[in-house]
Formats: sequence, C-alpha cells, structure tokens
Amino acid sequence: AQSVTQPDIHITVSEGASLELRCNYSYGATPYLFWYVQSPGQGLQLLLKYFSGDTLVQGIKGFEAEFKRSQSSFNLRKPSVHWSDAAEYFCAVRGGSQGNLIFGKGTKLSVKP
Amino acid sequence: GAVVSQHPSRVICKSGTSVKIECRSLDFQATTMFWYRQFPKQSLMLMATSNEGSKATYEQGVEKDKFLINHASLTLSTLTVTSAHPEDSSFYICSARVSAAYGYTFGSGTRLTVV
Repeated sequence: AQSVTQPDIHITVSEGASLELRCNYSYGATPYLFWYVQSPGQGLQLLLKYFSGDTLVQGIKGFEAEFKRSQSSFNLRKPSVHWSDAAEYFCAVRGGSQGNLIFGKGTKLSVKP
Repeated sequence: GAVVSQHPSRVICKSGTSVKIECRSLDFQATTMFWYRQFPKQSLMLMATSNEGSKATYEQGVEKDKFLINHASLTLSTLTVTSAHPEDSSFYICSARVSAAYGYTFGSGTRLTVV
C-alpha cells in the first residue's frame, strides 16, 4: 500500500538557519508528490509539487524540494528560515484508490528567535 | 485561482443534533471532492470521496449514515454530521482535485465541537 513517512515529528531551528524536512514515500509507479503547510486552525497551503521532469522543484516562500527516486525521498528545504515559517508541514503522495492524497503524519516546525 | 470556500470555520453543537459543512468551488468546477478528518496533532485521514451527481464512496470504518455527503452540483459539496456526539469533534477539511497539472486545493477547514 502507498504510504508517506515523515520521520521527524517536531523540529526546532533558529531564525536564519537552514531547514530540511524529510519525507519518504512508498509508491509503485512514478509518484505525484506534494508539500503542504498548515497554520493552526487553518487549511492546507500548497508549497510545491512534483509530477515529472526536473527533480529539483521550486515552490513558494523560498522553499524547494528534491525528488530522489533511488531513495524514495522528497525532502523539503529552505536556506534561511523566517519566524513566520513556524507551522505544520505535510508531505503527501497521490496514491489513494480514489485518486486522493495520502499524507504523512506531519512535522511541526518551531523557529527560535 | 482554484479556490474552495469552506463554511462554517467553527461550529459548536449539542450532542444529538446535526451539523452541515459546505464546500464551494469558486472559480472552477469540482467534479470530485474529498473529505478529510484531522484529529489534534495528527495527519489528515480520508473519510469519503464525492463525485458530482453520484453517491459518495466512503473509506473503511466511516459510517455513511452518520456522515452524509451530497455533491449535487459541480460547485457545491456538503458534509452533514448527523446525531453528533462528542467523539465526532474534530477538524474537517474538504479538498478538490482541480486538474492533472494543478493538483489539489483545500478548504480552510471546519472545527466541530460537540458538547
């Protein structure tokens, strides 16, 4: 069955430091991969997605992610974190039987001043 | 573009009553709408998938008689929680598949509290 694993439940970084959030997926074919951000009590905002082509994907708010098929990974990165980046981050793969997204458990990002 | 408007954002209801949550696609036609439930500090779990003009498909373990889904038009899908109980308290989010190229868009969620 398709699945998404986000190994880190909670990460704390200092403002201005670099960030990498890990995501591993299990999917038989070429995956459609997504990263979303969720602020408390809010819906999900798409940061970036990978369908095909260049394996380094640029997204909004300065985020990027790299698809590595050999490692079944799609890690999210940002070179310099801002305090406003504190939120919950979800990795997802399109793989449900209804064409739905399957989500990881999320990584909560805290940013120290 | 590709906005889904979800209402209400918060609702408190008494145990035994019913609550309706609406999701409207504002600038596109949503043939398929997904309904997710999110427990505190947890991920999103798919409850059901609705397709315009047909019956919803429910995930295993989801009570179709409790969570009534209607997708009568290409711009409106509703989730009605019937005879709500405190254990139904949760965050409910709808999502529409916009296109193969665009992907998915999400509503802003509804915080349901049953007292």
